[in-house]
Amino acid sequence: GAVVSQHPSWVICKSGTSVKIECRSLDFQATTMFWYRQFPKQSLMLMATSNEGSKATYEQGVEKDKFLINHASLTLSTLTVTSAHPEDSSFYICSARTGWAYEQYFGPGTRLTVT
Amino acid sequence: GESVGLHLPTLSVQEGDNSIINCAYSNSASDYFIWYKQESGKGPQFIIDIRSNMDKRQGQRVTVLLNKTVKHLSLQIAATQPGDSAVYFCAENIDNYGQNFVFGPGTRLSVLP
Repeated sequence: GAVVSQHPSWVICKSGTSVKIECRSLDFQATTMFWYRQFPKQSLMLMATSNEGSKATYEQGVEKDKFLINHASLTLSTLTVTSAHPEDSSFYICSARTGWAYEQYFGPGTRLTVT
Repeated sequence: GESVGLHLPTLSVQEGDNSIINCAYSNSASDYFIWYKQESGKGPQFIIDIRSNMDKRQGQRVTVLLNKTVKHLSLQIAATQPGDSAVYFCAENIDNYGQNFVFGPGTRLSVLP
């Protein structure tokens, strides 16, 4: 149980285009979803937290207009990287939790390469 | 500011030996900690957690120790196996609501044959 999927697993896009990454909780209802970014050989950095039906809360330094997050249902959250640039190339990981449980279940990650 | 850090960025152990991965945290008010394992190109995988009202918790081949006096967390892996090779992160819940976790920089564990 508690499986989180991400799609796509790897995407290459040209600079200036937008990319959407999906995060799905497959067998539970995710009341809260989190989006992280991880650069090579570095730790995970929280980008934003989203509760179903509410606007996402962004961490300091994360541009909300560039990283659009939508948590439209209890099983789906999307992250759209708008006008992507090479410096946005990274490993994006989502996680989800249900109710008030502290444990987060992580997706497999999406590797974004912007050329 | 608050931070979670690791003393050893890399650790190499012989197969069958025990591994100890350390983590220092700075927020004395943090009440919950998690250890995650991340294999190359994959998302983090939950290993074990511990609340601040405990100083030890055991799982299958893993033990987490929490020393609140010196704000230190460790993960012990017994009889380390090749499949244990990965990067290990400690994560600290800094808001006491399970919303905001700060991850340490990670330790790469390499298991030697």
